[in-house]
Amino acid sequence: ELKVEQNPLFLSMQEGKNYTIYCNYSTTSDRLYWYRQDPGKSLESLFVLLSNGAVKQEGRLMASLDTKARLSTLHITAAVHDLSATYFCAVALRAGNQFYFGTGTSLTVIP
Amino acid sequence: DTEVTQTPKHLVMGMTNKKSLKCEQHMGHRAMYWYKQKAKKPPELMFVYSYEKLSINESVPSRFSPECPNSSLLNLHLHALQPEDSALYLCASSPGRARGRAEQYFGPGTRLTVT
Repeated sequence: ELKVEQNPLFLSMQEGKNYTIYCNYSTTSDRLYWYRQDPGKSLESLFVLLSNGAVKQEGRLMASLDTKARLSTLHITAAVHDLSATYFCAVALRAGNQFYFGTGTSLTVIP
Repeated sequence: DTEVTQTPKHLVMGMTNKKSLKCEQHMGHRAMYWYKQKAKKPPELMFVYSYEKLSINESVPSRFSPECPNSSLLNLHLHALQPEDSALYLCASSPGRARGRAEQYFGPGTRLTVT
């Protein structure tokens, strides 16, 4: 059974601080995705990571992928209130178009 | 056009009703998906259509019946639902595995309440 786990599940951080969200998955995959979801809204694609060692950055967010460790990270630099949301990683299996989501990390940035 | 549309936005139905959710995309994507998301939980994959054929059914109860009339449209027919089926139903599409990175684009969702 595929497991995709994120930690922490809940994160409260002050503005200006840095933090990392971790995404561990239990089976081989060559594609890892990060999404953002605001309350009551749909999912917004943040990053697509396609190979071991891939690193992508957009604004205050940076994502990386280590396929050997089956680990992806989402690093937040100098957090601002607008980053408050729930962040999901998702793993795509080789066999087909199957996407499985992590447990989610609810981020609250406090002024 | 990088948009996936879903109708209706909100739906309230009784347990004896029959209703349908609709999803549409015009990006030429060949894979389309239905997900169910309960509050404060991750989306759960329900169905995947690839090239208009059902390729994945994640053991979804038969009261949910998907349909893909053409490459741009995806429906989810609902019948005899239970209150626990109340959730946000998300549709997504992607180019398809054979066409590269298979990034998913999500629609805005249908908020379903079963009374």
